[in-house]
Amino acid sequence: AQSVTQLGSHVSVSEGALVLLRCNYSSSVPPYLFWYVQYPNQGLQLLLKYTSAATLVKGINGFEAEFKKSETSFHLTKPSAHMSDAAEYFCAVSDRGGATNKLIFGTGTLLAVQP
Amino acid sequence: GAVVSQHPSWVICKSGTSVKIECRSLDFQATTMFWYRQFPKQSLMLMATSNEGSKATYEQGVEKDKFLINHASLTLSTLTVTSAHPEDSSFYICSARDPRDRLYGYTFGSGTRLTVV
Repeated sequence: AQSVTQLGSHVSVSEGALVLLRCNYSSSVPPYLFWYVQYPNQGLQLLLKYTSAATLVKGINGFEAEFKKSETSFHLTKPSAHMSDAAEYFCAVSDRGGATNKLIFGTGTLLAVQP
Repeated sequence: GAVVSQHPSWVICKSGTSVKIECRSLDFQATTMFWYRQFPKQSLMLMATSNEGSKATYEQGVEKDKFLINHASLTLSTLTVTSAHPEDSSFYICSARDPRDRLYGYTFGSGTRLTVV
């Protein structure tokens, strides 16, 4: 069975500060890993995904994440937070296979950005 | 990129009535769509996998007769909440994967806020 654990349900940073959102995964097979962002009352938008190519993945809006197999981690970072980054962030895992594969989500981290 | 349209974005219904939510893939054919439920300040819980032309696969603990899923075409899946009750109030989100995207991009609808009064 696959799962992801997001450490910290709430993270608060100052505008311009480093953003670090933590995600650890558990998978018996090589995983695909994703980070999504959700704004209030909206669906999810894909920030980035790891699918076994480069371990450092760059996404939209200046976000990036690094796949570390030894640590079973896929932490999301952004060098400088912007007010518009305030949202809920979800890490997700899927095993490799066909189109019917499911995404399993973590519990989410609510990011607050202080002026 | 792939677009998934979900309607309605919000709905209020009386207890005991049924509500239908539509999920459409606008520019690709989706043989499989996924339905999620999200409670306030919680994560997305997969309810079921909708397969075109066959029965949906429900996750453990999800009532099949309560949450009817129909995937009659390659671009449309519907979720019907039957005999809705206040505890069914939630945010429902659908998702589909564009088979043209070899790098596993799942696209999500904008969600439906259901309130049962």
